[in-house]
Amino acid sequence: GIQVEQSPPDLILQEGANSTLRCNFSDSVNNLQWFHQNPWGQLINLFYIPSGTKQNGRLSATTVATERYSLLYISSSQTTDSGVYFCAVISSGSARQLTFGSGTQLTVLP
Amino acid sequence: EAGVAQSPRYKIIEKRQSVAFWCNPISGHATLYWYQQILGQGPKLLIQFQNNGVVDDSQLPKDRFSAERLKGVDSTLKIQPAKLEDSAVYLCASSPSRNSPLHFGNGTRLTVT
Repeated sequence: GIQVEQSPPDLILQEGANSTLRCNFSDSVNNLQWFHQNPWGQLINLFYIPSGTKQNGRLSATTVATERYSLLYISSSQTTDSGVYFCAVISSGSARQLTFGSGTQLTVLP
Repeated sequence: EAGVAQSPRYKIIEKRQSVAFWCNPISGHATLYWYQQILGQGPKLLIQFQNNGVVDDSQLPKDRFSAERLKGVDSTLKIQPAKLEDSAVYLCASSPSRNSPLHFGNGTRLTVT
């Protein structure tokens, strides 16, 4: 099946700093989503972005489908941004399940 | 719109007991998913329904796990008998179709002692 790799696995920032999270995938995709899992375990949709660039406030994402990667940018980070960020994809092939990466644990310090 | 509803939020059982989880998807969403998330890992798909038919259950341990989605709306996931390694968060998600964004419920945290 498709492989999804996220980097870095852990990231510690001071409040106000910017960061970039990366997601590499091993096959072409029909669906790519970024999620934030907060400390209470809730998975929150951030972006549905199989290709192109989107922005939502301090967050933006870019997927370059031809090169099989996606980037999530967080600007002016806040303590409430802490949690785990997951990238998940659905392959264009026969397997149609949403496959998750192992996540990036982000800690924003006050 | 109302989100995906799951219950219970927490469950503690002893090994070899049985347990059931319930999920009510977003209204009109044809596709429903059950994921298992073990602490420190990303969610793993257990089963995917399209309306009331199973699309993918290749990673469901069928000797102890079962799931159904009667009438293409609500779904239940059952574990019988539970093992210690079943301790995890069980997440339900729904989407309008198989390539649409998924929306997750708050999950059920299961502890097997």
